[in-house]
Amino acid sequence: DAGVIQSPRHEVTEMGQEVTLRCKPISGHDYLFWYRQTMMRGLELLIYFNNNVPIDDSGMPEDRFSAKMPNASFSTLKIQPSEPRDSAVYFCASSTGSRNIQYFGAGTRLSVL
Amino acid sequence: QKEVEQDPGPLSVPEGAIVSLNCTYSNSAFQYFMWYRQYSRKGPELLMYTYSSGNKEDGRFTAQVDKSSKYISLFIRDSQPSDSATYLCAMSAYSGGSNYKLTFGKGTLLTVNP
Repeated sequence: DAGVIQSPRHEVTEMGQEVTLRCKPISGHDYLFWYRQTMMRGLELLIYFNNNVPIDDSGMPEDRFSAKMPNASFSTLKIQPSEPRDSAVYFCASSTGSRNIQYFGAGTRLSVL
Repeated sequence: QKEVEQDPGPLSVPEGAIVSLNCTYSNSAFQYFMWYRQYSRKGPELLMYTYSSGNKEDGRFTAQVDKSSKYISLFIRDSQPSDSATYLCAMSAYSGGSNYKLTFGKGTLLTVNP
């Protein structure tokens, strides 16, 4: 398996623009997680899905952030409008089974100027 | 108080040294404990997985959990330059249902010098 695939790997945008991050989980995994990592706050869970349904979005910082999972093989995290404080590395992870072992993608490094 | 506390380091050791990495936590409901390793500009990857208290050994790596003290450790024996990475502890209260979240420490940056 190719693992969790995220795109783009790097995104540079200007404040106010819409940003869409994409994730393809490992085939057969029924949980999908979106995280944000910064030096100051570490790795923070934003939202997670089970069988394409959002279960917990309490980590989503503001209404500017939204996430969707239209099918088992694709999810998006959207920021609209983006702000400089959104600059971070965004990771997607997927898992299955009772042990909750999460497999991470390589991340998207977002810079908002 | 944060749910999971981890000394961010950085920690620098010579090759061959024994490394000890630690986390403390406040939520007594945590029962699944993990260590992830993250190389620079990569995603975290699972290194060790432990359920409840006790020790687990895998090659040069040993994970320890002391639930009575709310303290977990990762030991690396005969450390190698290839072990240079950020190590993140992670834990969860329950595996399944609606409580499926992992709570991560902020990570400890380790450098092993040749």
